[in-house]
Amino acid sequence: SQTIHQWPATLVQPVGSPLSLECTVEGTSNPNLYWYRQAAGRGLQLLFYSIGIDQISSEVPQNLSASRPQDRQFILSSKKLLLSDSGFYLCAWSRSGYTSSYNEQFFGPGTRLTVL
Amino acid sequence: DAKTTQPPSMDCAEGRAANLPCNHSTISGNEYVYWYRQIHSQGPQYIIHGLKNNETNEMASLIITEDRKSSTLILPHATLRDTAVYYCIVRVAQTIGGNTPLVFGKGTRLSVIA
Repeated sequence: SQTIHQWPATLVQPVGSPLSLECTVEGTSNPNLYWYRQAAGRGLQLLFYSIGIDQISSEVPQNLSASRPQDRQFILSSKKLLLSDSGFYLCAWSRSGYTSSYNEQFFGPGTRLTVL
Repeated sequence: DAKTTQPPSMDCAEGRAANLPCNHSTISGNEYVYWYRQIHSQGPQYIIHGLKNNETNEMASLIITEDRKSSTLILPHATLRDTAVYYCIVRVAQTIGGNTPLVFGKGTRLSVIA
């Protein structure tokens, strides 16, 4: 079976500090990978998605970047955190390589980031 | 931007059917309607999806109007554990080599009351 891991679960960082959030998927190969952010009281915002190693699309201009150094590893980074980067960060994966209407996205447990 | 409109909140008595509406008046012919829900502090969970026929699974039923401009998610016997934010999303089907990420709106916050 497939599982998705995110760490850390919670993080408190000062403004201006760097950030690295990690997401890994087990039990599948060549997944599509996604990073979402949910700010307090707001909906889920798609940040990045990736269809393969080093193939990353950014959905919104921002203070964050993403990398995919390995097939099942997706990393969200920032060089200098802003207060507005606080939120609940979710990683997700979906299967690739086929045509179907059923393309469920499976979400990880999330990382709650507080920037002070 | 999300292509759907949902009421911000709804209440439902435990044991009763919860009917969650969604408007998607600009839906294209190749776009499906998907429903996900997010329980507090967890990632969203897939519920059901459909194109134009009504669909039913172990979790819910999906009723899509004939003109496909709106749909209703039905939880037949709501329980307290169904309290969550429910998202209605329209998107095209997955294609080989393609990628169609979910774009979430604000959803409907369903509160199931004992």
